Amino acid sequence: QSVLTQPPSVSGAPGQRVTISCTGSSSNIGAGYDVHWYQQLRGTAPKLLIYGNSNRPSGVPDRFSGSKSGTSASLAITGLQAEDDGDYYCQSYDNSLSGWVFGGGTKLTVL
Amino acid sequence: EVQLVESGGGLVQPGGSLRLSCAASGFTVSSNYMSWVRQAPGKGLEWVSVIYSDGSTYSADSVKGRFTISRDNSKNTLYLQMNSLRAEDTAVYYCASHPDYFDYWGQGTLVTVSS
Repeated sequence: QSVLTQPPSVSGAPGQRVTISCTGSSSNIGAGYDVHWYQQLRGTAPKLLIYGNSNRPSGVPDRFSGSKSGTSASLAITGLQAEDDGDYYCQSYDNSLSGWVFGGGTKLTVL
Repeated sequence: EVQLVESGGGLVQPGGSLRLSCAASGFTVSSNYMSWVRQAPGKGLEWVSVIYSDGSTYSADSVKGRFTISRDNSKNTLYLQMNSLRAEDTAVYYCASHPDYFDYWGQGTLVTVSS
């Protein structure tokens, strides 16, 4: 059971928009800690996708965007492409656990 | 260019020990927060241990008292000493640098705990 809750799977056709939610609690997202997102393609290490709730590292397309409100956050992907197929994880810090926490991951399938 | 290269994984029996290494290039390990993050087969990511720039360390409850994170500044290398290994420690172990978020990751090294 992950501290941050994500839907197990989402899907969409090429060109469509999908969103992935990440729900936390008062000891992590609700406590004001930032949310970050990672993309993990098959057989590879995770890659930073969004940091500080809504910032994209250099090289990440603007098709990817993030937001945070209250105890939740969301990742939106517009103009879905085949290469977006993979797993997506949210991450924050939890002050009751005194450590970094991840969501359980969401499998994105591009139909 | 920042590069993190893990090594030391393998097959070990329950109760055994293993030491993982993470050699860094392109940045200074001692100047950054460095963590180990693991991923069990088919599962999600789990933070394991951190060493701060001041040398202080913290670990997740699941490994506290069994795993020890350390670094060798002269070799610019991060380590994870894993003792009393259990089947549930089977995972790919990644080293990662981070302030608040994990910006650089290694390719991972597989640890399998089985008799």
